[in-house]
Amino acid sequence: EIVMTQSPATLSLSPGERATLSCRAGQSVRTDLAWYQQKPGQAPSLLIYGASTRATGVPARFSGSGSGTDFTLTISSLQSEDFALYYCQQYNNWPPYTFGQGTKLEIK
Amino acid sequence: QVQLQESGPGLVKPSETLSLTCTVSGGSFSGYYWSWLRQPPGKGLEWIGYVQYSVNTNYSPSLKSRVTISVDTSKSQFSLRLNSVTAADTAMYYCAREGAVTPAFDIWGQGTMVTVSS
Repeated sequence: EIVMTQSPATLSLSPGERATLSCRAGQSVRTDLAWYQQKPGQAPSLLIYGASTRATGVPARFSGSGSGTDFTLTISSLQSEDFALYYCQQYNNWPPYTFGQGTKLEIK
Repeated sequence: QVQLQESGPGLVKPSETLSLTCTVSGGSFSGYYWSWLRQPPGKGLEWIGYVQYSVNTNYSPSLKSRVTISVDTSKSQFSLRLNSVTAADTAMYYCAREGAVTPAFDIWGQGTMVTVSS
C-alpha cells in the first residue's frame, strides 16, 4: 500500500495570498495523482487529476505540479470559498487507492 | 448531469451487516468503474472497493474479507455489503464514479452517515 503524506496539516492564510500544499508518496506514482477539495458537510470534489490537469469547471487559480513522489497544489490568490480541506490521492498502484490525511486551509 | 444518491440504514448493530445502495441517474451507467469510499468522523478518506459490470470487482485488502460490491445494471444501481461491523466502521459512506479519462473520482454522492451501535 502506498502511503500518502500531506503537509502542512493546517495552513493559515489570508484572502488574496498564495497557498502551496504538498503531497508526498511513499514510492513513485508517476503522475497518477489527484487533488480533491472538501467543504464542511459536503462530499469531496475533484480539482486536479494526472497531477496537473484541472477538472471541468475548476478555476484557473488552482494548479497542480509534480511527478514521482513529490506533488504540489497551488492556489494563486485565495478566495473566501477556497478555505476548505484538501486531499491528495494516488491511483498508480492499487488496490488500494490511497489518500493523504488532508490539509486544512483556514483563514488567518 | 450524472448524479449519485446513497441510501440505506443509518444505524447498524455490531456484528451485523451494513448494506447500502447507490443509484445513478442522469447519465450512462455501463462502462464506468463505480466505487464505495468512507470517511470516519473527523478523519480522512478510505477507498473500499469498486465494481464494473457484474464480474469485475476490486477491494481494499484491509476490508476484502468482509466486503461485497454488486451491481444491478437494470436499475443503474450498485450496492455495498460490509459484514461483521464494529464501531470502527462508523463513518460517512460515499459512492463515487471513476472518470472516463482518469481513475480519479469525478462524481460523488452526497454521502450517508452510518453509525454502528447497539
